Amino acid sequence: EAEVAQSPRYKITEKSQAVAFWCDPISGHATLYWYRQILGQGPELLVQFQDESVVDDSQLPKDRFSAERLKGVDSTLKIQPAELGDSAMYLCASSLAKDNEQFFGPGTRLTVL
Amino acid sequence: ILNVEQSPQSLHVQEGDSTNFTCSFPSSNFYALHWYRWETAKSPEALFVMTLNGDEKKKGRISATLNTKEGYSYLYIKGSQPEDSATYLCASPDSNSGYALNFGKGTSLLVTP
Repeated sequence: EAEVAQSPRYKITEKSQAVAFWCDPISGHATLYWYRQILGQGPELLVQFQDESVVDDSQLPKDRFSAERLKGVDSTLKIQPAELGDSAMYLCASSLAKDNEQFFGPGTRLTVL
Repeated sequence: ILNVEQSPQSLHVQEGDSTNFTCSFPSSNFYALHWYRWETAKSPEALFVMTLNGDEKKKGRISATLNTKEGYSYLYIKGSQPEDSATYLCASPDSNSGYALNFGKGTSLLVTP
C-alpha cells in the first residue's frame, strides 16, 4: 500500500540552529500539505502546495520557515533559526486533488533545546 | 480558519466498555467531516469521510454519525479493546481556503484490560 514518507522521524536541535524535514508523498498526488501539531493542540496548516506551486502559506512564519516542492513531487520544510517554540510534530499529507481525502505520513518530532 | 472542537479531551475506559466522542464544527459552508485515528509513533489513519446530513458510517466496531444542520458528529466505539487506544481527531476542510483540514484538538482514548 502506498504511503507518505517523512524523514527524519525525530530531530533534536539547539535553538538558533537550522533544521530541515523531508516528505515524499504518494505517487501521483498533486496536493501536498505541511501541518504542525504543538502538544495539546490539533494539527494546523503551515503550507499547501498544488504541484510545485504554493496555494496557501498564510500561516507559515516566513521570517524563519521556508518550504519548497521544486519538481512537484517531494518537498522540504526548513526552519532557520529554530526557536524553543518550534518544538512540535511536523506532519506531511498528500491528496490526489485539493478536495480529496488526505493521507498522512508518520511525522517528524522536533525538539528544540 | 474553521473552529472545530472535540470533547472530551481524554477518556479512560475498561476493555469491553462502549464509548463515544463529540466533534462540533461550523454548519455554514459545510463541505465534509473527517475522522482520523492516530496511534503513537504511527501515521494518522483515516476512519471516515462524511459529507451528507444524517450520514452514518461503520467500520468494524467503530461508527460515526453526522448532523450538518446543527454542526456535530459523534464517533462511537462498541466494546472497546486495548488496541483502540489512540488519539481520535476530527477535521473539516475549508472550501474557502484550498480545502486544508481544520482539526480539533483530539480525544485521547486509553482502554485498559
